[in-house]
Amino acid sequence: AQSVTQPDIHITVSEGASLELRCNYSYGATPYLFWYVQSPGQGLQLLLKYFSGDTLVQGIKGFEAEFKRSQSSFNLRKPSVHWSDAAEYFCAVGDTGGFKTIFGAGTRLFVKA
Amino acid sequence: NAGVTQTPKFQVLKTGQSMTLQCAQDMNHEYMSWYRQDPGMGLRLIHYSVGAGITDQGEVPNGYNVSRSTTEDFPLRLLSAAPSQTSVYFCASRRTGSGANVLTFGAGSRLTVL
Repeated sequence: AQSVTQPDIHITVSEGASLELRCNYSYGATPYLFWYVQSPGQGLQLLLKYFSGDTLVQGIKGFEAEFKRSQSSFNLRKPSVHWSDAAEYFCAVGDTGGFKTIFGAGTRLFVKA
Repeated sequence: NAGVTQTPKFQVLKTGQSMTLQCAQDMNHEYMSWYRQDPGMGLRLIHYSVGAGITDQGEVPNGYNVSRSTTEDFPLRLLSAAPSQTSVYFCASRRTGSGANVLTFGAGSRLTVL
């Protein structure tokens, strides 16, 4: 069964600083990997996904993520954080059978002025 | 296009009461699922369905029932609510066939069980 670990419960960064959110997954085959964002009181919105090809994927709002098979990681990055990026971020892994998408516990991002 | 619609948005129950959370989608998605979100635990899959008449259990199915009689609807039933079921519930749907297909989420239903 697949699983996802997000080691950081919350992270605080200054506006304009760079950001990296960590995600490690466990899955026996090549995984489908996702990052979603949830603003307060809202549902989840897809930032980006990886399922094959280039290991560096670009998403919306200036986010990118890099798939590293050797480290079982799919870390999310942004070069310059904006105050509007304050939200909760979820990493997820989908099985190749297309039956289950499993989420990590989430990382809450705080942005300070 | 409404996407995924959940009702009600808020509900308060007493222990032992029953209720149904409704979920409807208008995107003709074969796959539908229910998650619960709890602080520090992320989203956990309760049940999912890959088409009308087909349902299966997720990570935390106990205490919940589902059925799928139409492509559009996927209700979640709590037969005897417990305080441990206090949570925010999300319905999500996507095209089936590949785990790479992206989930579309509803806005959530906040349930409190006293």
